[in-house]
Amino acid sequence: DTAVSQTPKYLVTQMGNDKSIKCEQNLGHDTMYWYKQDSKKFLKIMFSYNNKELIINETVPNRFSPKSPDKAHLNLHINSLELGDSAVYFCASSQEGGGLPYEAQYFGPGTRLLVL
Amino acid sequence: AQKITQTQPGMFVQEKEAVTLDCTYDTSDQSYGLFWYKQPSSGEMIFLIYQGSYDEQNATEGRYSLNFQKARKSANLVISASQLGDSAMYFCAMMGSTLGRLYFGRGTQLTVWP
Repeated sequence: DTAVSQTPKYLVTQMGNDKSIKCEQNLGHDTMYWYKQDSKKFLKIMFSYNNKELIINETVPNRFSPKSPDKAHLNLHINSLELGDSAVYFCASSQEGGGLPYEAQYFGPGTRLLVL
Repeated sequence: AQKITQTQPGMFVQEKEAVTLDCTYDTSDQSYGLFWYKQPSSGEMIFLIYQGSYDEQNATEGRYSLNFQKARKSANLVISASQLGDSAMYFCAMMGSTLGRLYFGRGTQLTVWP
């Protein structure tokens, strides 16, 4: 009964490769996010989707492309991986309009990406 | 833009004692939300507590309470009766006029010792 799940948990790959990370939530939320946590533990938002529509698109290299096939899934595809892409990538979800003006986001377990 | 500052990179507390983790924020938004998350060594991010800027009472969730001082722009997390399992990184975050955009502080590593 995992709320927000991500696959894979670990990803080790060579520079220049293309890889995808998948995220699924079973909370019935309508908004999903991707965050990047760097080696100093700093968390920064990358993208958000609401009902399959891109809402937040931070200044992220266009090698990163999110895709939301439905409101329960948000995938992240990364082209031409670089050393600096090594980080932990978190998926999160929230329910906008759920009663509070600002809704908490619930995070997945993270995907640890290492680019060699 | 929003800015979150956590000035304590590390804190130590003895089991069963209370501890306060500091968080100050800067924003030009009139309305905003403040959040605390816990990240244990296993890596997941766990939502702990939320405070709305217009909430008159400080938020509480079990052993967690948020000491919200709006005029000072501070939102400190208080953990009462610390437990060994509270050892983790704690992040303060805020959301303002751009709904969904959470801004995080750099975190405070809390260590609880027996």
